[in-house]
Amino acid sequence: NAGVTQTPKFQVLKTGQSMTLQCAQDMNHNSMYWYRQDPGMGLRLIYYSASEGTTDKGEVPNGYNVSRLNKREFSLRLESAAPSQTSVYFCASSRRQGGQGETQYFGPGTRLLVL
Amino acid sequence: LAKTTQPISMDSYEGQEVNITCSHNNIATNDYITWYQQFPSQGPRFIIQGYKTKVTNEVASLFIPADRKSSTLSLPRVSLSDTAVYYCLVVDNNDMRFGAGTRLTVKP
Repeated sequence: NAGVTQTPKFQVLKTGQSMTLQCAQDMNHNSMYWYRQDPGMGLRLIYYSASEGTTDKGEVPNGYNVSRLNKREFSLRLESAAPSQTSVYFCASSRRQGGQGETQYFGPGTRLLVL
Repeated sequence: LAKTTQPISMDSYEGQEVNITCSHNNIATNDYITWYQQFPSQGPRFIIQGYKTKVTNEVASLFIPADRKSSTLSLPRVSLSDTAVYYCLVVDNNDMRFGAGTRLTVKP
């Protein structure tokens, strides 16, 4: 069981470039999430997918798009990267969204630097 | 969504018991209290969760008073490897808001 995996581990982009961050989970979880973490800060929710075929905005969705490709995979796309998007991005999954006492399992993160 | 407040940092020594208290004055009836641990360059890892009274697992204990307006994470006999950031969250319908957390430093 790999849990939650993310690719790439590290990426450098120039302002205006686009890229897609990939996330996959093998725990048969229904819900998946994308967070960003800036230095010295807690995590902030960008988007989440309560179940296959659905996506919803989180706290900081501007500048991002997501795709729930299937039950296992949830990708995050930056269409035109900006220096303000320099951050560490974490993907997470849980059995279901909205359940009492539900917990999330996190991937190792992707470090993104936008120049 | 209930906001949480916890100390920014704490220092301890190996072998000591560490207690980190979190306040959540506006906790709602259905909210659960959840603690995560994060090491540098890693994603957060679930430690413990509770609703009321006391919860204990192989890693930690969580004490929640009757009014549920605060909670205390207790780490028994910490080691250097417990140096990390600890986040207290009140989980409202899966809306998880992470604050800056408490940076625990364990010294030899």
